[in-house]
This record gives sequence, structure tokens and C-alpha cells, in this order.
Amino acid sequence: TQLLEQSPQFLSIQEGENLTVYCNSSSVFSSLQWYRQEPGEGPVLLVTVVTGGEVKKLKRLTFQFGDARKDSSLHITAAQPGDTGLYLCAGAGNPGTASKLTFGTGTRLQVTL
Amino acid sequence: GAGVSQSPRYKVAKRGQDVALRCDPISGHVSLFWYQQALGQGPEFLTYFQNEAQLDKSGLPSDRFFAERPEGSVSTLKIQRTQQEDSAVYLCASIGGQVGASYEQYFGPGTRLTVT
Repeated sequence: TQLLEQSPQFLSIQEGENLTVYCNSSSVFSSLQWYRQEPGEGPVLLVTVVTGGEVKKLKRLTFQFGDARKDSSLHITAAQPGDTGLYLCAGAGNPGTASKLTFGTGTRLQVTL
Repeated sequence: GAGVSQSPRYKVAKRGQDVALRCDPISGHVSLFWYQQALGQGPEFLTYFQNEAQLDKSGLPSDRFFAERPEGSVSTLKIQRTQQEDSAVYLCASIGGQVGASYEQYFGPGTRLTVT
């Protein structure tokens, strides 16, 4: 049972388009992380957000943590084929501690030329 | 090696067979996690070790699942009497845990288990 719901589940867009992925939970997490996973590989950390309302930018990716620390979004500007992959949000414990991750259901993104 | 390695990468087992999945964490990493990822889903937590101590095994789905890390480095996840519902990718992740170190979880490539 996954406590974090992501939407959409699947997204197919053309290069240059913008997109937003949502991650929603009924639980509050001390921090929330976003990962990208490619076929045959493990997830790779993109960002950690900690403070309610926090916004972080990573090149063309913008991450936001909801004020109540129960939801988050990932916005990609001008998507490129290299952005293709499975995007996972994950609730985590206090930063600076080793805590298990509670992953979302995942959003599979396909960017075509 | 520089990253987390897992072996075998692929395993096909007949229903009822026992399997053992190995994880080699990044050298010196204190904490080790196992996750199960069903097809099209996000990973789900199975168990957590700090050094050789198994501190949390609340995610193990049944008593057929057993994990160990006897010397605080390599870990093995064992599944007895495999069932079709055990088919999934099993991911291992490690964290450094030393003071001042990053608490990012570094994931291995996973072992894809198919039970026929």
C-alpha cells in the first residue's frame, strides 16, 4: 500500500513542452525527495525539500513542497528526450538521519522528438 | 567498486524454490535498506540494517523473507518457497552515516526476480 499518490501515472509529450507532476499524501513527512529511475537501474536522487512552501530549482526542473508538507510538485520546462524516465516522489524522515523512504506510485514520462 | 552492486541482476525461479539475492553496498556505508518494486509501481520498504543490526523488518511481507548482514557490509535477502507474487525487482540502497556525510540513499541496479 503506497501512501503517496502521484499524478499523472503516465505522460507522453513532445520535446519543448512543459509538464507538472504531482505528489499527494494524507501524511506529513519531515522531508520529501524526488528521484528519477531509468530502466534497469535504481532510483537516483534529484532533490530533497524540507520546509513547507520551499521551492528548489535544478536547471529546467522546479520542485515545490506544499505549505503543510503533505504534497509536492515537479515542473519541467522545455522537456528533452533525456528527461524520459520514471519519476518518483518519496517521503523521508528528518534530514541528517538514515530513514526508510515511502515512495509514491510513480509517473512515467516519455519525451519524444 | 564506486557504487552499490547487486547480484544476480536477473533470477528466474520455479515456484517453491528458495532464492538468495546479494547486495554489496558502498564501502564503509553504515546503513543498508532493501526495497521491493513491483512492475509499474514505486519501491516499497522491506528492511533496514545499521551495521550488522537489523533495526527494522516491518516491511517484510511474510516469514518466507529473511535478510542478514552478518559482518556489517554485504547483505543477503533470502526468499524461501517462492511464490508468483514475489516476482519483482529487489533494490538495495546504502547510506554513509558518518558525521558530516551525506544521508542520500544510493541505490543499486536491482535484481529482477521472476517466479514461474
